[in-house]
Amino acid sequence: NAGVTQTPKFQVLKTGQSMTLQCAQDMNHEYMSWYRQDPGMGLRLIHYSVGAGITDQGEVPNGYNVSRSTTEDFPLRLLSAAPSQTSVYFCASSYVPATSLADTQYFGPGTRLTVL
Amino acid sequence: AQSVTQPDIHITVSEGASLELRCNYSYGATPYLFWYVQSPGQGLQLLLKYFSGDTLVQGIKGFEAEFKRSQSSFNLRKPSVHWSDAAEYFCAVGYSSASKIIFGSGTRLSIRP
Repeated sequence: NAGVTQTPKFQVLKTGQSMTLQCAQDMNHEYMSWYRQDPGMGLRLIHYSVGAGITDQGEVPNGYNVSRSTTEDFPLRLLSAAPSQTSVYFCASSYVPATSLADTQYFGPGTRLTVL
Repeated sequence: AQSVTQPDIHITVSEGASLELRCNYSYGATPYLFWYVQSPGQGLQLLLKYFSGDTLVQGIKGFEAEFKRSQSSFNLRKPSVHWSDAAEYFCAVGYSSASKIIFGSGTRLSIRP
């Protein structure tokens, strides 16, 4: 049971390049989320998914795309990278909504992205 | 709008001393409240959560938090800190209607030997 895995761990992009951050979980969790973490700002929700084929926007969705074709995977796409997207990105998953007493939201180790 | 405030950016305490990290929230109804810990270079780990019932919540690693509705607070406490508690701590509030959690900006805890 690997939990929540994220690849790559580190990435450097040039402005305008596109890339996909990968997130996978092997716990059969329905709920998955992407956050970005910036100094002094905590974690901000980018997009989330309540199941395969269903996604929704969080607080800061602009410049990012997501899709959920399987329960296990929830990739985050940067369409045209900008320096403002330099951040640490965390993927999280849970069996039920993160606000449920019944379960815990599990976080991946993060991807540190730098956009030059 | 719902929000979470952690007024202390950085706190240093001596090993063995008690700890209290502050958290205030803004939310119309009874919130779902969480404390997470993030060690350097790691993801977040849930310490404890409050949904209803007893306002004093026990968590992992010897932490506890108390929900005070009158003060809109959910402060995290530990009676005696260990050097391994040095980390960043995040308070968060959730909504019953969606799978969303709003995080505070975090408090970095340093431990003085």
